[in-house]
Parts: sequence; C-alpha cells; structure tokens
Amino acid sequence: DGGITQSPKYLFRKEGQNVTLSCEQNLNHDAMYWYRQDPGQGLRLIYYSQIVNDFQKGDIAEGYSVSREKKESFPLTVTSAQKNPTAFYLCASSGDREAGETQYFGPGTRLLVL
Amino acid sequence: AQTVTQSQPEMSVQEAETVTLSCTYDTSENNYYLFWYKQPPSRQMILVIRQEAYKQQNATENRFSVNFQKAAKSFSLKISDSQLGDTAMYFCALMDSNYQLIWGAGTKLIIKP
Repeated sequence: DGGITQSPKYLFRKEGQNVTLSCEQNLNHDAMYWYRQDPGQGLRLIYYSQIVNDFQKGDIAEGYSVSREKKESFPLTVTSAQKNPTAFYLCASSGDREAGETQYFGPGTRLLVL
Repeated sequence: AQTVTQSQPEMSVQEAETVTLSCTYDTSENNYYLFWYKQPPSRQMILVIRQEAYKQQNATENRFSVNFQKAAKSFSLKISDSQLGDTAMYFCALMDSNYQLIWGAGTKLIIKP
C-alpha cells in the first residue's frame, strides 16, 4: 500500500527530554512537511524539505529540528528548547507538479508532556 | 500577504440535507491552487477536493462540489446528501507559488441524524 506512516501514535515527553517523531512515505514524493496543530486551531508549518539533504524553516521552527537523509524519511525532533510541545503533529508529502503539488497527510502523532 | 478566511466556525445540518461551507482568500498571484481538506475525529487530514485557478469549471468529487468565483476570491464547498460520516472539521487552503499551503481556521460541521 502506498502512503504516509507516522509513529508513534502517542508520545509522552518528560521535561528537558528530546523526542523524535517518525514520518515515512513510499509515494516517491520529493517534498515533505511537518505541521503542528493545537486544539481547535488550524495547521502551522514547522519545517519542510523539497529535496533530500535540504530543508527550510517554516513559521514556527524554534525548538524543533529535522533531517532529510533519505527521500522516504523526514523525522522531526522536538527539543527541550520547545517549551510548549503538547500538540498534534502531522506529516505530509507532495510530489506531483501536475496535481498542484497536492499534499497528502499521515495519521498524526499526539505529543503530551508529563 | 496571502490569507484564507473561513467565516463559519461551526455549522450543523440534518442528514441528507445540502450544506455549503464558505471560504474567501486573498492573493496577488494569477496561478494557484485551492483545496478543501476534511479532518474527522480521527484527526487524519483527508483531501476532499482541489481546484486549479486557471480552470473556470468548478471541481466536483461525487457529493462534493465547489463554487469557485475567481474575481470575488471565493471558494465555497457544497456537500450534497450529507451523511453522518461527513461530520468533521473542514479546512480551506491556498497553495502559494512556493508550494506552501496557507490554511483557514476551519469550520466544524456536524451532521445530525
């Protein structure tokens, strides 16, 4: 099956701890994205990558880091510098210019701070 | 700056009725894409429908259709014969020239049995 997977579904972070959220896609898409969603809110862009080994900051990159060593994978690390990390995190990918670079989403990871 | 506005925070209709969700946007670009996404209680974001600005014909996907008014910068979503499974948050989004999505705040749609 082609699609985007995110793991874990739920993640608990202790104070001062770094945690990493996984995002994998087998759609052969070049671009990948990370969004944060707070309760009752829309999506805010954290980081995006349009090609392997390159990524750009989005609107709320502070306290987060990413890597893009493989086309299929775009992990997000929530560092201890992110003081309010409790949120729902969505990963997306896109790769078809003729389809307007439509973004397709994974099922999300809910991060909670203990 | 490009913006997307959804003026209806919440709507509710009876099952089988038709409902229209509003979206207005602002952009100075001539070529762009508009999207409606659905986020059910599972919270996965699902593409509902896509419209290319240079196409005058309104996009349709089964029970979902749009009314795209380019001059008015309006992009409303019509859901016909609404079903209980249509209950969700609906987000309107504009794709800019850098392929980034500009999101509206969302409309919570409740379908009542």
